Amino acid sequence: GAGVSQSPSNKVTEKGKDVELRCDPISGHTALYWYRQSLGQGLEFLIYFQGNSAPDKSGLPSDRFSAERTGGSVSTLTIQRTQQEDSAVYLCASSLLGPDTEAFFGQGTRLTVV
Amino acid sequence: GDSVTQMEGPVTLSEEAFLTINCTYTATGYPSLFWYVQYPGEGLQLLLKATKADDKGSNKGFEATYRKETTSFHLEKGSVQVSDSAVYFCALIGNTPLVFGKGTRLSVIA
Repeated sequence: GAGVSQSPSNKVTEKGKDVELRCDPISGHTALYWYRQSLGQGLEFLIYFQGNSAPDKSGLPSDRFSAERTGGSVSTLTIQRTQQEDSAVYLCASSLLGPDTEAFFGQGTRLTVV
Repeated sequence: GDSVTQMEGPVTLSEEAFLTINCTYTATGYPSLFWYVQYPGEGLQLLLKATKADDKGSNKGFEATYRKETTSFHLEKGSVQVSDSAVYFCALIGNTPLVFGKGTRLSVIA
């Protein structure tokens, strides 16, 4: 596709359930980021995939959060045993490698835990 | 680790007013600096960037100058329009992946 695609766009889940959020980056982009956007909290970095290097997981808030990137393309963010505080918009971005390259963002997945 | 601090919002201005949104950073080395914008109902998009000291990024009438001596990258526009109403994020890439400030919401009223 022409841009970064995220699915689903909205997800309502019950507390304690697991959820999977998907990101399709722009073709050829070797860098992929996940962020969480909560009201009043800005953009919280979660995880960064850079080519074939080990991902930077330093932003994951707990071991309930994990992410993988298969074949250097599609990425899945998994949240296990969801809690109400996990409710937020989860944003994915992709870019070419390099310190001055533009990151292109998807529209996000709005997660609501009830 | 590297971090970005930007002024708290919201900021409300009248059309044609001068805009400044302050951004300072903490980083080792020489980061690249960015301003991203999120218009209502849209995804984040790059507004402008600067990759070395004294560089000036500009786009859509907005400007920001990379000031190493003050570790700042303040966003300015001489005459804002209603269509500039959005949330503005300062960001950097240094020794860490792309790191954002908390965002500043700007509302411009006619």
